[in-house]
Amino acid sequence: EVQLQQSGPEVGRPGSSVKISCKASGYTFTDYVMNWVKQSPGQGLEWIGWIDPEYGSTDYAEKFKKKATLTADTSSSTAYIQLSSLTSEDTATYFCARELPGSAAFAYWGQGTLVTVSS
Amino acid sequence: DIQMTQSPASLSASLGETISIECRASEDIYSNLAWYQQKSGKSPQLLIYAANRLQDGVPSRFSGSGSGTQYSLKISGMQPEDEGDYFCLQGSKFLMYTFGAGTKLELK
Repeated sequence: EVQLQQSGPEVGRPGSSVKISCKASGYTFTDYVMNWVKQSPGQGLEWIGWIDPEYGSTDYAEKFKKKATLTADTSSSTAYIQLSSLTSEDTATYFCARELPGSAAFAYWGQGTLVTVSS
Repeated sequence: DIQMTQSPASLSASLGETISIECRASEDIYSNLAWYQQKSGKSPQLLIYAANRLQDGVPSRFSGSGSGTQYSLKISGMQPEDEGDYFCLQGSKFLMYTFGAGTKLELK
């Protein structure tokens, strides 16, 4: 069974950084890219980007190119997203998500990690 | 970037009513479209992928259709458990994805 287990809620001060993890199990971690999605309070979903754990290659939505950094540790089957220069607009729930094989659809999601930016 | 326009923003349906939600892409997305249901405080759940393929375990009252730039999700017979937010997701070009703005579905 594919499972994506995310780290717990984070509180970050304005201007600081936070790093969230997503531990994958139930499949070969390097066989699929890992996507990250943002959901601001009461708002819709925004795709942030993806990382290919096998090669470390990444791609980002334009909006997040200077905000998010995606990394992966193949030894622990864990993907990470680091959010930098935090502002109140970064307060949101962040999800990791994996595609359904052979489709451009995210079938497997982490439970979400709430990031709160507060001084 | 491909833009997705989803409508309506909100919808109220009676028990057993058939409803439709639409997503329009800014360019041809070649059926690379998925539909999701999200309940409050939960992760999105995949309903439909590749425009019209029902994800395993999803009730058959959910169906998807469309091609090119126009896609729709239909719920044939609204049930209480269908209340929630619905989103479309396109992923047609070079693993670049865009979500629709969402539709809030409530039971009347």
